[in-house]
Amino acid sequence: DIQMTQSPSTLSASVGDRVTITCRASESVRNWLAWYQQKQGKAPKLLIYRASNLENGVPSRFSGSGSGTEFTLTISSLQPDDFATYYCQQYHIYSTFGQGTKVEIK
Amino acid sequence: EEQLVESGGDLVQPGGSLRLSCAASGFIFRNYWMSWVRQAPGKELEWLGHIKQDGSERFYMDSVRGRFTISRDNGKNSLFLQMDSLRAEDTAMYYCATSTTPASGGDAFNLWGQGTMVTVSS
Repeated sequence: DIQMTQSPSTLSASVGDRVTITCRASESVRNWLAWYQQKQGKAPKLLIYRASNLENGVPSRFSGSGSGTEFTLTISSLQPDDFATYYCQQYHIYSTFGQGTKVEIK
Repeated sequence: EEQLVESGGDLVQPGGSLRLSCAASGFIFRNYWMSWVRQAPGKELEWLGHIKQDGSERFYMDSVRGRFTISRDNGKNSLFLQMDSLRAEDTAMYYCATSTTPASGGDAFNLWGQGTMVTVSS
């Protein structure tokens, strides 16, 4: 199975900060990588697919990059609605999620 | 509007069985692979497996293979998860999910249900 490792596990930031979350795969997943946002008690919401493609309706402050085994999700200017937990997911060979990164208010 | 609605979650004793359902609407259900994903309280998301459009192919993660069975009824726009030999560690919120975005190229799930809670406890 492909393992996905996110860092950091928790991130404290302020409104307006630039935030970067990293996701590493145990083997190459090419660009079959998605990012999700999940708020407490809600289903995950797709933000990015194929590593760098913004899902319809997702604000442009979210961006994704990377290929192979290393990927990043960047929020260019953190907004109050962005405090949540973020997950990466590989879907190259079946599917695996990372362990999540919680973005907290500093 | 595209929608998935799960049902069937309950409190069940260890060793027991439960069948979850997922009702789809607003899209052509028979055209899409469907997946089940779970999330234990306070834990990360875990993809459990998926089923092909016509039901001819299914795949399960090791954690549930041999105990859980995914099926679908395209005539009723419904997905099912039969769970047998349940364990305490199966306690989780269970989501059905799919990708209706062709550009994603696969299982980047743009459509999720609201989830149904399964608790395994004596």
